Amino acid sequence: QSALTQPRSVSGSPGQSVTISCTGTSSDVGGYNYVSWYQQHPGKAPKLMIYDVSKRPSGVPDRFSGSKSGNTASLTISGLQAEDEADYYCCSYAGSYTLGVFGGGTKLTVL
Amino acid sequence: EVQLVESGGGLIQPGGSLRLSCAASGFTVSSNYMSWVRQAPGKGLEWVSVIYSGGSTYYADSVKGRFTISRDNSKNTLYLQMNSLRAEDTAVYYCARATITMIVSWGQGTLVTVSS
Repeated sequence: QSALTQPRSVSGSPGQSVTISCTGTSSDVGGYNYVSWYQQHPGKAPKLMIYDVSKRPSGVPDRFSGSKSGNTASLTISGLQAEDEADYYCCSYAGSYTLGVFGGGTKLTVL
Repeated sequence: EVQLVESGGGLIQPGGSLRLSCAASGFTVSSNYMSWVRQAPGKGLEWVSVIYSGGSTYYADSVKGRFTISRDNSKNTLYLQMNSLRAEDTAVYYCARATITMIVSWGQGTLVTVSS
């Protein structure tokens, strides 16, 4: 499968909201409600932030939310904080007997 | 507490072989969907291989025929045997506990550098 498409970078000021998009096809994002999002700080392992399009694991602030429309999923971070500055990756299930497919990643800068 | 600790990375010449290990604690490897995900320097994440609880295995096209995922249930450890290594295999390799729809836990990663 081809990688999902994410913007290379987004930015926002503290307190603002930003949205990161993740575009795939009907074979992955559009075909299943199984999109997940990961946050990665420099030199660290990724961390699960959103799963099944819009569910938050325990411990993830409710400032993080996910949604999907057609072949595009989105991660919205509201009330931006300095510690939100990181790389964000989306990932989608792509069917049985296949591996999941990641997006190329988006660098979030908190101005 | 779930922990995943990778080891086995290092510098290897092109064409060489390396075996990565991932020691798990806090859960049973054989009962879970375990994966290897890699990240080339400055690049994004790439799902490399998975092994289902039932033992089925799947690989990215880029490593198919060269890499083998396996597990040792008695040691609660996941492995990745990497043969015929290429420069483009240079990456941090993460061991991950997953479901078919998400990666729940990640190890700290081990760096593999393929260079002469």
